[in-house]
Amino acid sequence: QQPVQSPQAVILREGEDAVINCSSSKALYSVHWYRQKHGEAPVFLMILLKGGEQKGHDKISASFNEKKQQSSLYLTASQLSYSGTYFCGSSPNNAGNMLTFGGGTRLMVKP
Amino acid sequence: ETGVTQSPTHLIKTRGQQVTLRCSSQSGHNTVSWYQQALGQGPQFIFQYYREEENGRGNFPPRFSGLQFPNYSSELNVNALELDDSALYLCASSLSGRRGYTFGSGTRLTVV
Repeated sequence: QQPVQSPQAVILREGEDAVINCSSSKALYSVHWYRQKHGEAPVFLMILLKGGEQKGHDKISASFNEKKQQSSLYLTASQLSYSGTYFCGSSPNNAGNMLTFGGGTRLMVKP
Repeated sequence: ETGVTQSPTHLIKTRGQQVTLRCSSQSGHNTVSWYQQALGQGPQFIFQYYREEENGRGNFPPRFSGLQFPNYSSELNVNALELDDSALYLCASSLSGRRGYTFGSGTRLTVV
């Protein structure tokens, strides 16, 4: 069963913040986040492993709550380059492979 | 550092035919996964190869099969094509799943 992402779509002005949520009915061992621009390959953003950690680089960060089986991606002070579709992927094991992806969240950042 | 390359980029096949898609992994990556992505949806896991052995499979019928070669490049074969097989097929390679995957740009397959 695939993770559920919310919202399905969001429109922001440059400089605004956004949160994308990913929840699963199955136990999560690790969560991957990817961004895919139209017509391009998904690009790896980060992976969060069991342990409730929070990670980030630049102005994009994420948290992982294994008890609630949820992960959230935080985009701060959004830039035009953040536009795209964001996917979370859950792995059934600690190896972080065989990902089941959510349906995606379409993010559009406008000037 | 080269990325993941897939060929061909586009393909049109007739229902019932067979197709082979190819993937060249990123240098040094020994794990390759294949995903099917329908329009507007997230990628769906087909199977994974590690050092030439299939070590994981998603909910796809046996007519979807694959190979990984000693240089870690890979093929996806689909027999008896159906209209619903029309999709973008993505190949992704990794040294370890815990480091994330590098995806190719995909092969757009259209079955008519």
